[in-house]
Amino acid sequence: GAVVSQHPSRVICKSGTSVKIECRSLDFQATTMFWYRQFPKQSLMLMATSNEGSKATYEQGVEKDKFLINHASLTLSTLTVTSAHPEDSSFYICSARDQNRDYHGYTFGSGTRLTVV
Amino acid sequence: DAKTTQPNSMESNEEEPVHLPCNHSTISGTDYIHWYRQLPSQGPEYVIHGLTSNVNNRMASLAIAEDRKSSTLILHRATLRDAAVYYCILRRGSSNTGKLIFGQGTTLQVKP
Repeated sequence: GAVVSQHPSRVICKSGTSVKIECRSLDFQATTMFWYRQFPKQSLMLMATSNEGSKATYEQGVEKDKFLINHASLTLSTLTVTSAHPEDSSFYICSARDQNRDYHGYTFGSGTRLTVV
Repeated sequence: DAKTTQPNSMESNEEEPVHLPCNHSTISGTDYIHWYRQLPSQGPEYVIHGLTSNVNNRMASLAIAEDRKSSTLILHRATLRDAAVYYCILRRGSSNTGKLIFGQGTTLQVKP
């Protein structure tokens, strides 16, 4: 149980365009999901906390107008990278926790490799 | 959030036990100790967690010091598939959806 699906796994886009990444909890409901980005050979950096039915909470230094987060249902959160530039190329990962299980572990998606050309 | 300190890298031989240390001297009473691992080009995977007592599961064991200022993840018999970056993270237990803040982790190399 506790599966998180992330789509797409890889995407290449042109500079200036927008890209949407989906994160779905397949067998549980998640009122909260988390978005991370990871550059090569670095650790995961938390970008924002996605809250179902309300605004996301962004970490310091993360531009909320550039990284739009929508959490419209209990099983889906989306991250849209707007006006993407080559420096946005990174590995984006989402995670969620099944609060109804007596289990503290978080489940992560398999990640989305974004390349902006 | 309380910080953790881990060695940058460790090496192990296949089929031998591995002890991955983590220091967390500023841990608070409600912080749970979590371990995750990340294989190349994948999202992190939950390994184990604990609060005060040692814990065992099918993947690993977690040994927690009596003062809780350090812990050790134990892989009983390392395999080549255990080569990954291992992250030790503290999560505030009072928060039902507390965020996980990743440090640099330990890159484990397993030699055949």
